[in-house]
Amino acid sequence: QSALTQPASVSGSPGQSITISCTGTSSDVGGYDFVSWYQQHSGKAPKLMIYEVNARPSGVSNRFSGSKSGIVASLTISGLQAEDEGDYYCSSYTSDSTVLFGGGTRLTVL
Amino acid sequence: QVQLVQSGAEVKKPGASVKVSCKASGYTFSDYYIHWVRQAPGQGLEWMGRLNPHSGAADNEQRFLGRVTLTRDTSISTALLEVSSLRSDDTAMYFCSRGSRLYGDLSLIDYWGQGSLVIVSS
Repeated sequence: QSALTQPASVSGSPGQSITISCTGTSSDVGGYDFVSWYQQHSGKAPKLMIYEVNARPSGVSNRFSGSKSGIVASLTISGLQAEDEGDYYCSSYTSDSTVLFGGGTRLTVL
Repeated sequence: QVQLVQSGAEVKKPGASVKVSCKASGYTFSDYYIHWVRQAPGQGLEWMGRLNPHSGAADNEQRFLGRVTLTRDTSISTALLEVSSLRSDDTAMYFCSRGSRLYGDLSLIDYWGQGSLVIVSS
């Protein structure tokens, strides 16, 4: 299976909002509400930011939100902060009972 | 608090096998899935498989079938990943991670280990 499609990079200034898209198919993103988003800082393990499309784990800022429309899931970060810089990955449950990750998006805070 | 502590770095020759361990603490090991995810240098995350620690059943990514084995030792709350017939492109950081409670969201991963670097080189 090919990875879910994410933009390679996005950028924004402090205080702005950015959105990262994650495009799949009807066999993954479009078929299930099991989309997660992870943040990864260089050299560190990923951190769960959003699960089940739009649920936020305890301790994650409410500046992070998720949504989905058809085969496209999105992560929005509002009030961008320097600490948000890093790599972001989406993932989805698939019809093969596997997990598929996106290729990753590098977020730069200008 | 939930912790997943993995074994240390390994250097292996092509064709060899490697076993990575992941000791869980802070929760009931048998009640939550364990996922294995790897990340090659400078690359993205790649899902390898999911283990049900209660039953021992595993679901592997198709491309790893026959080369990857997921097991566990519930007596010491430890999950194990074995990769055989290693190739140079298996060089990666291997992460164990905790999934959802059994029979919940089969893709959810909420806690991650620190990673175990495996280098395959002749």
